Amino acid sequence: DAGVIQSPRHEVTEMGQEVTLRCKLISGHNSLFWYRQTMMRGLELLIYFNNNVPIDDSGMPEDRFSAKMPNASFSTLKIQPSEPRDSAVYFCASSKDRGGYTFGSGTRLTVV
Amino acid sequence: KQEVTQIPAALSVPEGENLVLNCSFTDSAIYNLQWFRQDPGKGLTSLLLIQSSQREQTSGRLNASLDKSSGRSTLYIAASQPGDSATYLCTVVNFGNEKLTFGTGTRLTIIP
Repeated sequence: DAGVIQSPRHEVTEMGQEVTLRCKLISGHNSLFWYRQTMMRGLELLIYFNNNVPIDDSGMPEDRFSAKMPNASFSTLKIQPSEPRDSAVYFCASSKDRGGYTFGSGTRLTVV
Repeated sequence: KQEVTQIPAALSVPEGENLVLNCSFTDSAIYNLQWFRQDPGKGLTSLLLIQSSQREQTSGRLNASLDKSSGRSTLYIAASQPGDSATYLCTVVNFGNEKLTFGTGTRLTIIP
């Protein structure tokens, strides 16, 4: 099993640009979680899906952030327009019926 | 609201020593407890998952215990090595929920 796969690993973009982060779940997992990690705030849950349905998006900071699961194995997190304060490491994680989480390697986003 | 606390916040020990990391949680109605490690600039790696019906799990030099009644878990690391240096995170999932509650973390340094 290749694990949870995130792309890109690093992203540097200019303020105002659209950024799309991608995540591929482990085959058979049915829950998907997006987290953001910064030194100041630690790990924050942004949104999670169960069986492709968004369950809790209360952590999404603003309307500039949106997340989708177009199918059972793939998710995107989009930021439009991006701002310097969005700079962070973004992780996705998946699980199957609360049987333990597996995290991806993360995307380090820098907005200049 | 579930709160997860880890003690100590930081620990430095000489190589070869056995050590214990502590985790306490306020709500004992947990579905499972999972220990992760995070290396600087990296993602979270799962170490051990303990279901609520279990008392302990072992993997190599690691042993994690769970005492739901007292709201505690310990992670025991035997014969520590410099490669064990990382931040260790205790996480819980409560019944009726899928979200991870993260502990405050223990930053471990093994001195060669």
